Amino acid sequence: NAGVTQTPKFQVLKTGQSMTLQCAQDMNHEYMSWYRQDPGMGLRLIHYSVGAGITDQGEVPNGYNVSRSTTEDFPLRLLSAAPSQTSVYFCATTYYREGLHEQYFGPGTRLTVT
Amino acid sequence: KNEVEQSPQNLTAQEGEFITINCSYSVGISALHWLQQHPGGGIVSLFMLSSGKKKHGRLIATINIQEKHSSLHITASHPRDSAVYICAVRDYGGSQGNLIFGKGTKLSVKP
Repeated sequence: NAGVTQTPKFQVLKTGQSMTLQCAQDMNHEYMSWYRQDPGMGLRLIHYSVGAGITDQGEVPNGYNVSRSTTEDFPLRLLSAAPSQTSVYFCATTYYREGLHEQYFGPGTRLTVT
Repeated sequence: KNEVEQSPQNLTAQEGEFITINCSYSVGISALHWLQQHPGGGIVSLFMLSSGKKKHGRLIATINIQEKHSSLHITASHPRDSAVYICAVRDYGGSQGNLIFGKGTKLSVKP
C-alpha cells in the first residue's frame, strides 16, 4: 500500500495563479481532510470529506475549493493564489475502528506564493 | 484561547535523559493523538488514546480524562528522537473525523 500520497512535493506560484494540489489514498478510507501548517501555529483544517460526493468546510476554507468524486482522490484547488497561502499542506485520512480513529497523513506539499 | 496547549514549546535534552511533554485540552474529547514530525518530513501517528496508558518501545503516553491532560514520555532519549511532537484531540462536538492540534513541542536530543 502506498498509503496517502501528495503531489507535488514543492510548488512556487505567482500571486493570482491557480493550481491543484493532488491527494490520493489506496486504503479505502471514507474520511479525508486537508490541513495547512504555518510556523508557530498548529495544523488547521481547510476542508474535509466524509465520503465520495460529500465535502464540507473546516476552519480556514477561504480561497480553497475541494471535490470528492471518488473515494481515492481528494484534490485541493487554489483559485487565485495569495502570499497568505504560503504554507505546508497536508492531506490526511481517518479510519474508524473499535471506537477510535486512526489517522494517516500524506508527506506534505510545500507551497510558496510570491 | 487555544483548545489544545502543549508544554514546553522547545526542549533540549542530553542523550539518555528521560523526557516528558505535556498536553492540556479544554474540550470534551473522544480520543487524543500524539504525532511525530521530523524536520522537513511528514507526520506520523505515535499513539491514539481514549483512556489510561499505552507503551511502544521507549515511548509511553498517558491520559487523564478527568483532568483533561496527557503526557508523552521518552525513556533513554536518543538523537534520532529529535523531532516536533504534536498533541491533537478529536472533539466530541465537532465532525467525527477532525482533529484540533496543539502547536507542537520541538525536541532536540544532543549526543
